Amino acid sequence: QVQLVESGGGVVQPGKSLILSCAGSGFPFSSRGMHWVRQVPGKGLEWLAVTSYDGSYIDYSDSVRGRFSVSRDNSNNTFHLQMNGLRAEDTAVYYCSRGAGIWSGLPRDAFDVWGQGTMVTVSS
Amino acid sequence: IVITQSPATLSVSPGQTVTLSCRASQFIGSDLAWYQQKPGQAPCLLIYGASTRATGIPARFSGSGSGTDFSLTISSLQSDDFAVYYCQHYTYQSQWAFGQGTKVEIK
Repeated sequence: QVQLVESGGGVVQPGKSLILSCAGSGFPFSSRGMHWVRQVPGKGLEWLAVTSYDGSYIDYSDSVRGRFSVSRDNSNNTFHLQMNGLRAEDTAVYYCSRGAGIWSGLPRDAFDVWGQGTMVTVSS
Repeated sequence: IVITQSPATLSVSPGQTVTLSCRASQFIGSDLAWYQQKPGQAPCLLIYGASTRATGIPARFSGSGSGTDFSLTISSLQSDDFAVYYCQHYTYQSQWAFGQGTKVEIK
């Protein structure tokens, strides 16, 4: 079945780096845009980053631009979030999600499949 | 573009019909989605294109609106429907902005 599985979360000290990975299966991974979204426990959803199906378009939220970067490896059906200079306020559950395939022309896509999330805790 | 949901919490009884509101600060056409999130779970896409149900979503969930004002109606609330609902403008123009969520709780 269609599935996204995140990995790489954990406890990290402030200022350090962490890489999250998202493995897709059950669908043609290279045909869909992919996104990272995070959620502080008990709070709302915050979009972080997007890559188009082929990686030619990448964008970030203002809150993480310059510290976080994304990449995808369509040969291995994986999508990554490199997080640098982590802060306490980056503590959250991080989800990867799949674009629904309605991207046409300008970047637009609902998120039709989500991973189970991976918790990142930034603490000394 | 800012997405605002109201109310923050709705207390309803099973079997009732409830309507959640979502407003965009600028015209966004129909590029609006609704998600349901239950405790401890990832969000689930309910509606996109303001009114198109995602695959497998029951007909008791319906979305409407365009431009700046949108709503999600859940008819005959079932116990499984008590959750937090988020709307989202799903384009780069708002950085895929989510509303702050509406919690539908049992009265």
